[in-house]
Amino acid sequence: GAVVSQHPSWVICKSGTSVKIECRSLDFQATTMFWYRQFPKQSLMLMATSNEGSKATYEQGVEKDKFLINHASLTLSTLTVTSAHPEDSSFYICSALDRFHYNEQFFGPGTRLTVL
Amino acid sequence: DQQVKQNSPSLSVQEGRISILNCDYTNSMFDYFLWYKKYPAEGPTFLISISSIKDKNEDGRFTVFLNKSAKHLSLHIVPSQPGDSAVYFCAALSGTYKYIFGTGTRLKVLA
Repeated sequence: GAVVSQHPSWVICKSGTSVKIECRSLDFQATTMFWYRQFPKQSLMLMATSNEGSKATYEQGVEKDKFLINHASLTLSTLTVTSAHPEDSSFYICSALDRFHYNEQFFGPGTRLTVL
Repeated sequence: DQQVKQNSPSLSVQEGRISILNCDYTNSMFDYFLWYKKYPAEGPTFLISISSIKDKNEDGRFTVFLNKSAKHLSLHIVPSQPGDSAVYFCAALSGTYKYIFGTGTRLKVLA
């Protein structure tokens, strides 16, 4: 099956610093990738939709200046949490849409961000 | 407003018995549904899906039932195995590719 990787899997940073998370589709091309956030014991909340070569579409309530998304190629999307604060601590998961299986998203393993 | 709801946060089932996980939705425009399984600190993995033109889809031990009039779907796992212990999310496809996830049900299969 299609494989999506995320890097890093776990990151701890100081408040005020920026953190970049990478999402890669390893064996397929993904014109569209998604970024989710999950708080403990809660659902996955879609943050933004990332389309290759164009600006990301953010969900209501998500600050686009805080969560910068870049989808520079068909296999890579990055999420940068700028000026991170403790309330940004969460589990961030990306998914990728296989253009030939448009109904199914393939998820990465997630990145746990802890902001001190 | 939660458009996809899983009202049971947790479920315990004896090994070998049937597990039934439920999901309700509010938007009648949803026409494709999926179930995902998730272990702690991992991304969700796809289990099974169903289109609104069907009322049942089966794959091995997993069967999904869809009742459009009630806006309800369920996932049946039989027989349940300890390795099935995980959090299960249902999701509805909104538009072309956007998923709306439920809140999840934690299944524990007791050996």
